[in-house]
Amino acid sequence: DTAVSQTPKYLVTQMGNDKSIKCEQNLGHDTMYWYKQDSKKFLKIMFSYNNKELIINETVPNRFSPKSPDKAHLNLHINSLELGDSAVYFCASSQAGQGTEAFFGQGTRLTVV
Amino acid sequence: GDSVTQMEGPVTLSEEAFLTINCTYTATGYPSLFWYVQYPGEGLQLLLKATKADDKGSNKGFEATYRKETTSFHLEKGSVQVSDSAVYFCALRPKTGTASKLTFGTGTRLQVTL
Repeated sequence: DTAVSQTPKYLVTQMGNDKSIKCEQNLGHDTMYWYKQDSKKFLKIMFSYNNKELIINETVPNRFSPKSPDKAHLNLHINSLELGDSAVYFCASSQAGQGTEAFFGQGTRLTVV
Repeated sequence: GDSVTQMEGPVTLSEEAFLTINCTYTATGYPSLFWYVQYPGEGLQLLLKATKADDKGSNKGFEATYRKETTSFHLEKGSVQVSDSAVYFCALRPKTGTASKLTFGTGTRLQVTL
């Protein structure tokens, strides 16, 4: 059973399109995240939700909109895709507080052409 | 704010060589510290962790000790294998607050050759 699963694994799309990435966790965690990894492997947090409530929103363009229908799911919708959005997007989950580790999905490689 | 600094890579070693990847951090209080590993084409996996000063995390022959006095969490392995080739990330996470997030270093690529 995959703990954190995200789909699709690969996404190739044209500039200007709108796309979504889905994430689900079955660990019973109350906090979920989206991280972006650029071509140099640098990981930067984008969003964090705790119990369906947005608690971290780093400097991310408004074209990116997360949605958490329940605490086991956190989806990422991207409008008007740009070339610079090409990256690997990772979903993760953890338990709030206590400094525990986060569990990551396998990543979605987004390529905008 | 919190930050993690780790040594620049890539690090290239021969099989069975000794590995050290340096990591230092800046944070308020005493966060939990982690090493994650990313194999080619895969997601991040937790390698080891330590939650308080002087704790030693260990897994698969890798070790790291939480040093409060030097704010460091260096990763070591006595004898690397080709299969250890990957990108290694040092990270920290505060112990309190719902807004507690993982902050990562820039990653260090390790290449082990025969």
